[in-house]
Amino acid sequence: DAGVIQSPRHEVTEMGQEVTLRCKPISGHDYLFWYRQTMMRGLELLIYFNNNVPIDDSGMPEDRFSAKMPNASFSTLKIQPSEPRDSAVYFCASSLGFEQFFGPGTRLTVL
Amino acid sequence: GENVEQHPSTLSVQEGDSAVIKCTYSDSASNYFPWYKQELGKGPQLIIDIRSNVGEKKDQRIAVTLNKTAKHFSLHITETQPEDSAVYFCAASWEYGNKLVFGAGTILRVKS
Repeated sequence: DAGVIQSPRHEVTEMGQEVTLRCKPISGHDYLFWYRQTMMRGLELLIYFNNNVPIDDSGMPEDRFSAKMPNASFSTLKIQPSEPRDSAVYFCASSLGFEQFFGPGTRLTVL
Repeated sequence: GENVEQHPSTLSVQEGDSAVIKCTYSDSASNYFPWYKQELGKGPQLIIDIRSNVGEKKDQRIAVTLNKTAKHFSLHITETQPEDSAVYFCAASWEYGNKLVFGAGTILRVKS
């Protein structure tokens, strides 16, 4: 299995632009998680899905952030409009049980 | 909600020595405690986990202990090697499929 796939691996954009991060979970996994990692705040859970349905989005920082999971093999995290403080590494993880498998992350830089 | 504290934030050991990282959690309902290793430029990877009905678990050079009464758990790495150098995160969860709450991480440096 290829593991969790995320794209792009790096994204540089200007403040105010829309950013879309993509994730393909491991086939057969029924949970999908989006995390953000920064030096100041560590690893934070933003939102997670079970069987494509959002379960808990209490970690989404603002209305500028939105996430979707249209099917079992694809999810997006969108930031619109982006701000410099959104600069971070965003991870997607999937699970079938307790263990979560993380993707390689997307490093987002907002100028 | 759950809060996980992790100590120390950085740890330097000599190759061959042991390393111990400690975490405490606040929610007595938590029953699953994984440890993740993150290497530079990569996502966290599970190295060992323990559930609340077990006090200790070992996998080769890595072991985890859990004290539910005191609400703390620890990672023990014996015979450390340079490739053990990484950031280690503890986490806690209270049910299958539920969210993990992570500690702040420990930077482990193994000096050769």
